[in-house]
Amino acid sequence: SQTIHQWPATLVQPVGSPLSLECTVEGTSNPNLYWYRQAAGRGLQLLFYSVGIGQISSEVPQNLSASRPQDRQFILSSKKLLLSDSGFYLCAWSTAFNSPLHFGNGTRLTVT
Amino acid sequence: DAKTTQPNSMESNEEEPVHLPCNHSTISGTDYIHWYRQLPSQGPEYVIHGLTSNVNNRMASLAIAEDRKSSTLILHRATLRDAAVYYCILRDLLNSGGSNYKLTFGKGTLLTVNP
Repeated sequence: SQTIHQWPATLVQPVGSPLSLECTVEGTSNPNLYWYRQAAGRGLQLLFYSVGIGQISSEVPQNLSASRPQDRQFILSSKKLLLSDSGFYLCAWSTAFNSPLHFGNGTRLTVT
Repeated sequence: DAKTTQPNSMESNEEEPVHLPCNHSTISGTDYIHWYRQLPSQGPEYVIHGLTSNVNNRMASLAIAEDRKSSTLILHRATLRDAAVYYCILRDLLNSGGSNYKLTFGKGTLLTVNP
């Protein structure tokens, strides 16, 4: 069966520090991968999606970047965190065009 | 991106049916209607999706209007564990081949279930 792993579960980082969040999917090949962010009390915002290795599309201009070095690995990064980067970060995957999105358990990031 | 409109909140009593409405008047012929729900401090959970015909699964039923401009998620017997934010979303294709898509979440409907 397919599983998605996202870590760490919680993270507290100072302003100006770098960030690296990792997401891996098991049990499927060539998935579509997504990074979403949910700020406190708000809806989910799509940040990046990827349809293949090295193929990254950004939905909103921001302080973050994404990479997909391997088929089932999706990484969210920042060189210098801002206070506004705080939030709940969720990784998700999908396969066929009419299959659902499967979300990880998320990383709660607090930038202090 | 096609958009949906949902009530901000709804309230139900335990063990009663719940009908969560969604309007999507700009839906295109290839847009699937997806429903997800999110419990506090968790990632969204897939509930159901459909294209034209009504759909049933173990979690819920999806009733789609004949003109596809609206749909209703039906929870047949609400439980306290069904209290969550419910999102109605139209799938956006990323390419003309239709093999890749993205989902853009709105604010959803906060469902409160009273014991």
